[in-house]
Amino acid sequence: RKEVEQDPGPFNVPEGATVAFNCTYSNSASQSFFWYRQDCRKEPKLLMSVYSSGNEDGRFTAQLNRASQYISLLIRDSKLSDSATYLCAVNTPLVFGKGTRLSVIA
Amino acid sequence: SAVISQKPSRDICQRGTSLTIQCQVDSQVTMMFWYRQQPGQSLTLIATANQGSEATYESGFVIDKFPISRPNLTFSTLTVSNMSPEDSSIYLCSVEDPAGGMNTGELFFGEGSRLTVL
Repeated sequence: RKEVEQDPGPFNVPEGATVAFNCTYSNSASQSFFWYRQDCRKEPKLLMSVYSSGNEDGRFTAQLNRASQYISLLIRDSKLSDSATYLCAVNTPLVFGKGTRLSVIA
Repeated sequence: SAVISQKPSRDICQRGTSLTIQCQVDSQVTMMFWYRQQPGQSLTLIATANQGSEATYESGFVIDKFPISRPNLTFSTLTVSNMSPEDSSIYLCSVEDPAGGMNTGELFFGEGSRLTVL
């Protein structure tokens, strides 16, 4: 079983839609969880950390489910500019999932 | 945040040659990492570059193939040795947020070095 697994997508959604991504991890001792965003031909950039109690940053909400060993990212009111690949990352040093590609369509 | 400069940004190399990638950070950082991102794949950690000691390599990566230097807290190099087409990839230098303390896990990445081996 891979350490971090994500649905690769692509997710094609219309503007304004709500979309959710899940990411599962295999190491139950994992302590650090993150979502990164990677635009085409660019380096990954931190989108948000994921805290045990869940956290929100504007249109983005991250959740952690330790019992089921997954983290999730919810994007509300999708914008065209949200189109990118979203990578989940776990632990230190970080282990990345393969990423989920999102395309927001006008 | 940290500003990370990588050189070269891209290169095309012949099989059997070696290429050294440089990573310069604008502030002192404890942890520096080298990742590889092959086409259509996610990031795979190659090694942690330790200042003043040998790098710590992940499973599947060895020092002879990917020698790493870390002479100080702002600079590191990764060499890809005896290259083959399978080494064609983007190589990314990353550092932990210097303001976040150790082991926060939040990484900043350089823009990457896109390597093509013919």
